[in-house]
Amino acid sequence: GAVVSQHPSWVICKSGTSVKIECRSLDFQATTMFWYRQFPKQSLMLMATSNEGSKATYEQGVEKDKFLINHASLTLSTLTVTSAHPEDSSFYICSAPRTGMPYEQYFGPGTRLTVT
Amino acid sequence: GIQVEQSPPDLILQEGANSTLRCNFSDSVNNLQWFHQNPWGQLINLFYIPSGTKQNGRLSATTVATERYSLLYISSSQTTDSGVYFCAVGYSMNYGGSQGNLIFGKGTKLSVKP
Repeated sequence: GAVVSQHPSWVICKSGTSVKIECRSLDFQATTMFWYRQFPKQSLMLMATSNEGSKATYEQGVEKDKFLINHASLTLSTLTVTSAHPEDSSFYICSAPRTGMPYEQYFGPGTRLTVT
Repeated sequence: GIQVEQSPPDLILQEGANSTLRCNFSDSVNNLQWFHQNPWGQLINLFYIPSGTKQNGRLSATTVATERYSLLYISSSQTTDSGVYFCAVGYSMNYGGSQGNLIFGKGTKLSVKP
């Protein structure tokens, strides 16, 4: 099967600090990865699309200067939450389709961010 | 954009009962997936089913693309089936970019009582 990992699985940080979340495709290559956010008891909402070797594309209403995305290789995308505030506390999940099999998506286990 | 509606929003079952979850979508799609989100938040892939019927153990799914709906059947439910079930759809004319992402319904919260 296709495995996607995320690190860390949970993180607590102080307001004003930055947090980096990694998303890795372990056994396949992914030229595109997606970052979603899920608030408690709600559905997943797409934040941005991470493209290997090029700039990320952000959904309307998502601040690109606050949520920095880097897709440095075919197996790694990172999301950095800069100057975090309590309202950024959420569950962040990444997904990736296999290169060459563009439709089915595989999801990471998620990262729970709490900003105090 | 594509709208995804799931029903029912909540479902309570006695262990051993069968259930059907429904997903309606508003436009043509070339990706439809069913997920089970466990208590720790992990999304478990159940089915990739843009059309047709698939079965995996006690679970099966059917998508009628021409009528824009999909059904997830759970037979002989167990307490471990509890959680939220999401339907998600996507459409991609050209691979890559935001057109390849999934759009999620609001989910069906299933509680199976012993």
